[in-house]
Amino acid sequence: GQQLNQSPQSMFIQEGEDVSMNCTSSSIFNTWLWYKQDPGEGPVLLIALYKAGELTSNGRLTAQFGITRKDSFLNISASIPSDVGIYFCAGQLPPGNTGKLIFGQGTTLQVKP
Amino acid sequence: EAQVTQNPRYLITVTGKKLTVTCSQNMNHEYMSWYRQDPGLGLRQIYYSMNVEVTDKGDVPEGYKVSRKEKRNFPLILESPSPNQTSLYFCASRGGGLYEQYFGPGTRLTVT
Repeated sequence: GQQLNQSPQSMFIQEGEDVSMNCTSSSIFNTWLWYKQDPGEGPVLLIALYKAGELTSNGRLTAQFGITRKDSFLNISASIPSDVGIYFCAGQLPPGNTGKLIFGQGTTLQVKP
Repeated sequence: EAQVTQNPRYLITVTGKKLTVTCSQNMNHEYMSWYRQDPGLGLRQIYYSMNVEVTDKGDVPEGYKVSRKEKRNFPLILESPSPNQTSLYFCASRGGGLYEQYFGPGTRLTVT
């Protein structure tokens, strides 16, 4: 099936550092979503992107929908210990409004205080 | 409170013993999905439903069944579970016109 390539697979950073992760695909997507999953919990939506080139922020998080519609990135500025978790990108394929989302493999983030 | 609930949260069972994992949402959402999460593979969609009595296969439907008789409920059925179905399962829902899916808390299933 369709795949999203998410990188890096894991990151171990110092508190206060900025973080960047991205997702790429050979397919065009209508929508990009970014989720965070805490241990033992379900994924929680962070940011939704609907238009190519769109840049959206949510507090210290910023995400962009790539111009080619085949990629997206997520930045976290000034990381804090509670940023620890697994971050997933997800994409909605055209043509339409179906229930199908494709997920990346996830980026595991660890923050050292 | 808007939420997606799943039951049970944890289940240990034996090969071949039929089981059902329930999922319910209180947001009047049209779309509901089931995913399984395995280490290194991320979230893979099992089945999804676009409305009552409308369901379709996701990426990994083999060995699973679903039904959507009511808008709020979307149970996942394993008729004859096998050890390779040991996984963490998530139900999700979203409203029409939006792509933001809301996930349940997960069901950890172990099949021995």
